[in-house]
Amino acid sequence: QVQLVQSGAEVKKPGASVRLSCKTSGYSFVNYYVHWVRQAPGQGLQWVGTINPNSGAMGHAQNFQDRVTFARDMSTSTVYMDLRNLRSDDTAVYFCARDGGFDYPLYYFDSWGQGALLTVSS
Amino acid sequence: DIQMTQSPSSLSASVGDSVTITCRASQVISKSLAWYQQKVGEAPKLLICDASRLESGVPSRFSGSGSGTEFTLTISSLQPDDFATYYCQQYYVIPYTFGQGTKLEIK
Repeated sequence: QVQLVQSGAEVKKPGASVRLSCKTSGYSFVNYYVHWVRQAPGQGLQWVGTINPNSGAMGHAQNFQDRVTFARDMSTSTVYMDLRNLRSDDTAVYFCARDGGFDYPLYYFDSWGQGALLTVSS
Repeated sequence: DIQMTQSPSSLSASVGDSVTITCRASQVISKSLAWYQQKVGEAPKLLICDASRLESGVPSRFSGSGSGTEFTLTISSLQPDDFATYYCQQYYVIPYTFGQGTKLEIK
């Protein structure tokens, strides 16, 4: 079955960087985009960005102002999100999620990781 | 960015009731709308895509409709497992945006 398993919780200081991972299994890694969505405590959902695991091409929401990048390791079917220059308002649960489209992204999310809490605090 | 506005923000209902949640987009998004269910401490779960297409395995008591700027999610004959928060999401244009959520509680 499709699974996305994320790395654990992180605590970082403002200005630091973090790398979150999302190991996928149960499907063809190269055929589905993977997205990242975050949820601040008690708040709604915010799309962060996406990576095409086949080409490595990526995109992100403008409000991250190039603080975020994505990477993939095809040998382990894992995607990564790097977030730099952390701020307190980056504190959130970060989810990875598989795109609903095979070979062509549809930009809705049909399978999700369990989430990873990132806390940014001095 | 396209703003997605859900109403109501919260809703109380009883097992067996039928409820409807509305999602309005700030501009036309055709039928590029998904609905998710999220329970406390869990990841969201996709229920409906393309405004009305039920995801595999989702009970038929869930239904979606709408196009353009106004959409609805209806849950008929509420079951105890349905009490959760529901989000709509537009995927018509980047950035893909979500509604603020509708919390469905047991009366």
